[in-house]
Amino acid sequence: EVQLVESGGGLVQPGGSLRLSCTASGFIFGGYWMHWVRQGPGKGLVWVSRINADGRTTAYADSVKGRFIISRDNAKNSLHLQMNSLRAEDTAVYYCARWGLGSGIYGLDYWGLGTQVTVSS
Amino acid sequence: EIVLTQSPGTLSLSPGERATLSCRASQSVSTNYLAWYQQKPGQAPRLLIYGASSRASGIPDRFSGSGSETDFTLTISRLEPEDFAVYYCQQSDRSLLTFGGGTKVEIK
Repeated sequence: EVQLVESGGGLVQPGGSLRLSCTASGFIFGGYWMHWVRQGPGKGLVWVSRINADGRTTAYADSVKGRFIISRDNAKNSLHLQMNSLRAEDTAVYYCARWGLGSGIYGLDYWGLGTQVTVSS
Repeated sequence: EIVLTQSPGTLSLSPGERATLSCRASQSVSTNYLAWYQQKPGQAPRLLIYGASSRASGIPDRFSGSGSETDFTLTISRLEPEDFAVYYCQQSDRSLLTFGGGTKVEIK
């Protein structure tokens, strides 16, 4: 069974940093691109970042470019999001999700339950 | 960046009725890269449709997707009580994703 479990969320002051993790199981992690998607309180889904299967290429939404860094450790089946210079508008639930192309699916076919990040003084 | 506009914002319908949700793109989207998700309160999104018209695993056949280029539609043929939720479309352009603002399907 495919599972994605996020961790690392919490309360942080503006300007602070936080590192999110996503632990994957039930599939060959190194065969899939991975994404982070966030959802502010009462808001819609917003794409944040993605990383390809071997970790060599990454992409970011303009709103986080230069502040967030996505990475992965395929040996440990883990995905990370280093978030620096956090702002109040980064407050959201952060989901990791699998891009299903490795299974022939052009979509985010599995999602974690999310981890809450709150940026406030 | 491709912008996706979903309409209506809210759809008020009764169980058993047909729901038609629209997703319009600011520029042409490859049908391979248009997906639909369902999200219920307090839950993670769930993939419903990918490639504009292919149902994801375990999705009932009352859900169907159609469209091309800039106009895409999600249809729920007969609403079941568990279908009342928020629905999002999503596109991928050069591996950069964008989501629509969502359509809430609520019980009338």
